Amino acid sequence: NAGVTQTPKFQVLKTGQSMTLQCAQDMNHEYMSWYRQDPGMGLRLIHYSVGAGITDQGEVPNGYNVSRSTTEDFPLRLLSAAPSQTSVYFCASSYDRAKRNYGYTFGSGTRLTVV
Amino acid sequence: DAKTTQPNSMESNEEEPVHLPCNHSTISGTDYIHWYRQLPSQGPEYVIHGLTSNVNNRMASLAIAEDRKSSTLILHRATLRDAAVYYCILRKDYGGSQGNLIFGKGTKLSVKP
Repeated sequence: NAGVTQTPKFQVLKTGQSMTLQCAQDMNHEYMSWYRQDPGMGLRLIHYSVGAGITDQGEVPNGYNVSRSTTEDFPLRLLSAAPSQTSVYFCASSYDRAKRNYGYTFGSGTRLTVV
Repeated sequence: DAKTTQPNSMESNEEEPVHLPCNHSTISGTDYIHWYRQLPSQGPEYVIHGLTSNVNNRMASLAIAEDRKSSTLILHRATLRDAAVYYCILRKDYGGSQGNLIFGKGTKLSVKP
């Protein structure tokens, strides 16, 4: 089925460890983005990409890196995990404005706990 | 960035219509009005979007005021599965960072049997 696939669904890390959250979409969307959602809060934008080879920072980028080597994949790397990065992470994708103002498709999320 | 204002929470009875309001008094001509919802323990789900005219799809209807400073998401017959947080978001019809979705706190809709 077409959509946004996130792996893993759950992860526990120790402080200082690094890891990569995977995100893949098969809809040929130009836009991809990563959000985090803390308990009782709305989603906050971490990083986004408007196409392969192009990435930029959102409102909470510190402690995270991204790359976009293909249209399909947009991994999020935690360089040195901290307890403050305990959150649920969502990946999303969309067409760009050249194809009219379509809605975003979201993945089912990765629940990350840093101990 | 143009902001939206929504009530924190609303209640509805099952099988009754629900009207979820959103104010966006600083909306610009290039802002599309998007609605998403997030069911418990799930990712956000696209519901509907529009620019100037009212819009209908299989999930809901979107009524946009003539001056575009407010809109209303209409669920015609609420079901228990519609209990979720509903987000009203303005998305510019530009590329780059202006195409990003910026989430507020949304409206938590409860549906009573």
